[in-house]
Amino acid sequence: DAGVTQSPTHLIKTRGQQVTLRCSPISGHKSVSWYQQVLGQGPQFIFQYYEKEERGRGNFPDRFSARQFPNYSSELNVNALLLGDSALYLCASSLDTGDWSSPLHFGNGTRLTVT
Amino acid sequence: SQQGEEDPQALSIQEGENATMNCSYKTSINNLQWYRQNSGRGLVHLILIRSNEREKHSGRLRVTLDTSKKSSSLLITASRAADTASYFCATAFYNQGGKLIFGQGTELSVKP
Repeated sequence: DAGVTQSPTHLIKTRGQQVTLRCSPISGHKSVSWYQQVLGQGPQFIFQYYEKEERGRGNFPDRFSARQFPNYSSELNVNALLLGDSALYLCASSLDTGDWSSPLHFGNGTRLTVT
Repeated sequence: SQQGEEDPQALSIQEGENATMNCSYKTSINNLQWYRQNSGRGLVHLILIRSNEREKHSGRLRVTLDTSKKSSSLLITASRAADTASYFCATAFYNQGGKLIFGQGTELSVKP
């Protein structure tokens, strides 16, 4: 079975631009989460979506938004890019059994560089 | 801010030796998970231990959890060069869906 796929793999943008990152979860997984990982640090939670509804949001500004589609794929949008948004953006899917114990399955991420 | 703090930040050992990584957290958890990340790639789930468990094994991995001390350790026995990676602990909380809080990670280097 295919794992979590993310596109694009690399992206270079200029400050002030907008970017859209895409994620396809593992078949059968209804939960998708987004994480930001700055070089040398652990991933930071941005959003979780389950059945197209936002279930959780991390401590990120309103410039970050996301959505989940009927096929459970997801997009992460970031507006008005700042240099500090440069990071590896990771998407993860899970079965979400409802008892907070479903492991996350991560894609290989999108490396975003803002210049 | 991140929940977990990992110790050491970096660890270098020879093949065949054991590697121990520690993780501390601040608030009550539902479960604690360990993930591995090879350079620049996605994270891979290794093992999950629930708050009512004290020890868990998976192959060469052994995880312990001490909820009274709010700490966990990951032991990799008979390490191999292929174990070279960053290892992260992540904590899950009640009533916060699938949100995981990751630590800063331990960078493990296993020399052949």
